[in-house]
Amino acid sequence: NAGVMQNPRHLVRRRGQEARLRCSPMKGHSHVYWYRQLPEEGLKFMVYLQKENIIDESGMPKERFSAEFPKEGPSILRIQQVVRGDSAAYFCASLRDRDQPQHFGDGTRLSIL
Amino acid sequence: GESVGLHLPTLSVQEGDNSIINCAYSNSASDYFIWYKQESGKGPQFIIDIRSNMDKRQGQRVTVLLNKTVKHLSLQIAATQPGDSAVYFCAENGGRGYSTLTFGKGTMLLVSP
Repeated sequence: NAGVMQNPRHLVRRRGQEARLRCSPMKGHSHVYWYRQLPEEGLKFMVYLQKENIIDESGMPKERFSAEFPKEGPSILRIQQVVRGDSAAYFCASLRDRDQPQHFGDGTRLSIL
Repeated sequence: GESVGLHLPTLSVQEGDNSIINCAYSNSASDYFIWYKQESGKGPQFIIDIRSNMDKRQGQRVTVLLNKTVKHLSLQIAATQPGDSAVYFCAENGGRGYSTLTFGKGTMLLVSP
């Protein structure tokens, strides 16, 4: 019973490039959340998606960031024209039903040169 | 604004001691709370949760206490082991039924053999 799978685990990009982070939720989980974590800080909510729908994107920066969770395939967090301040660990979590514990992947560490 | 915060950034204990990690929250609408453990290079791992209609919940070697009067949450770990060394986060849902979580900054627990 595989857990939440995120890839790549580490991603290096130069300023101005695009970063694509992928998240495959646990089997049977239709709720996906993306969080960002800066060093020595807690996780900050970014976006909540269900299949083909963005439910809450109140934590997403207004520009350059987008997320999707298509009917088939993993959820994608996309960052366009990356800047150094985008360097962080990005975590995905999934859950089956509301008010259940979220299960997290091991994250993608994004480094911007 | 509303926030979740921790009193102690670092807690050092001896193996076999009991550990207590505290968390203060300020959003009175929160009705669901979770403790996560995060080891270096990994994603948060669910430890225990509690709903606002309870004031205590026990798991294996862990107990969570909720005091809604003073908006305080604590995690007690019995007979702490070196493998318990990690950063511990409390999180609350702000009364949002779909479990978008607000995390505190975390407490580092260091267990000496």
